[in-house]
This record gives sequence, structure tokens and C-alpha cells, in this order.
Amino acid sequence: GESVGLHLPTLSVQEGDNSIINCAYSNSASDYFIWYKQESGKGPQFIIDIRSNMDKRQGQRVTVLLNKTVKHLSLQIAATQPGDSAVYFCAENYSGGGADGLTFGKGTHLIIQP
Amino acid sequence: DTAVSQTPKYLVTQMGNDKSIKCEQNLGHDTMYWYKQDSKKFLKIMFSYNNKELIINETVPNRFSPKSPDKAHLNLHINSLELGDSAVYFCASSPSGTTYGYTFGSGTRLTVV
Repeated sequence: GESVGLHLPTLSVQEGDNSIINCAYSNSASDYFIWYKQESGKGPQFIIDIRSNMDKRQGQRVTVLLNKTVKHLSLQIAATQPGDSAVYFCAENYSGGGADGLTFGKGTHLIIQP
Repeated sequence: DTAVSQTPKYLVTQMGNDKSIKCEQNLGHDTMYWYKQDSKKFLKIMFSYNNKELIINETVPNRFSPKSPDKAHLNLHINSLELGDSAVYFCASSPSGTTYGYTFGSGTRLTVV
């Protein structure tokens, strides 16, 4: 299940199960969204992105869903593996903003139980 | 060949010291960034440079001074280090001021004692 810890929300799932990580974004003008995976001691690594003219995009074992009405983004990971254990961040950007960087969400710690 | 490389990976220093973190990217990107990740894992942008020109300077103490000698390098110099500066600092780059192809370095863990 999902719980809010002292620092990061944590989601614990059994290996092989599907997981869903949720994110609420803040800027209604944002038109580009990215999910990142951060393993311990490493930098954020790109997983999948979606533009605001789409509701869903699929990659290998991952799917991102975008609901602009409620400003909600989710990342679905199918058939989770031990290597999926990491902190996952959503990030948003307004493409018309030039080099104004990404705004990151709080992050969710995904733990894959063997 | 590392796309965005930062040095050092770890930096432990005393309060009041001045230190620098270096970043280099070999992706041919025009834009580089510095982010700070605090103890709660929250990532926040500090600066961005596009073709050696400062674009973003978020509310960061002026003890932090980025320097971009060329578009492949963006260094971060910090004066008079304080305990609250302890964090992980990430460099990132992207092509032509967009966020497509955004790539992060592996981070520099700064500990001020």
C-alpha cells in the first residue's frame, strides 16, 4: 500500500506486481511532463515523457497517464522487478519558458519486495 | 563516456570555506543547469545558463556563483559555506533551451561541518 512517511511517500509492492505512482502538478500552463527514476547515489534518469496534447503514452513496461483537468500525472510500472526500486519523480515544464528548467514533484520511494 | 560529469562526487568541508564543483557535458547541449537536492530529496533549480549566458537565477544566496567558461562547462563556486548548504548538487544539460533530452549528472554530495 501507499503511505506518507516522514520524508517521502513510500510505495511497497511485491515483485511481479504492477505499481502506480501518482503526482499532482502545480502549473496549469505546463505542457510537458517527465518521469524520472533516481537510484541511490545517482542522478535522476529519464523514464518517459508526455506532452499535454496526449492523455497516455506507453514505453517498455511503463505507461504515463495525464489528466489535465485535475492536474494529475501517474506512472504505471508493469511486472515490477527488483531493479525498479528507486525514488520516482514527476517533473513539469512550460515549453514556452525557454531554459527555465524543470519543476519537480516531491518524489515517491518505490520498494519492490521479493 | 559519461554524458554529464561532475567533480568531485563527495565534498566534505568546514563552515566558512570556499569550494567549487565542476560540471562538463559532452552532449553538445546549449543549456546547462544546477539543481539542489535537500535531505528530503526535494529537487529545486538554482541556475540555468544558455550558451554561457545566465538565464535563471532562482532565490539563491549570492554566496553561490555559477561560472560558464564555455557552453560545455558550468561550474558552481560557493563562498563562506554554511551548514545549510549541505545537500546533493546536480548538474544537468539540455539542447537549445528546451527540456527534451534533459540529462543529469550523478551529483556532488556536499557536507559542511
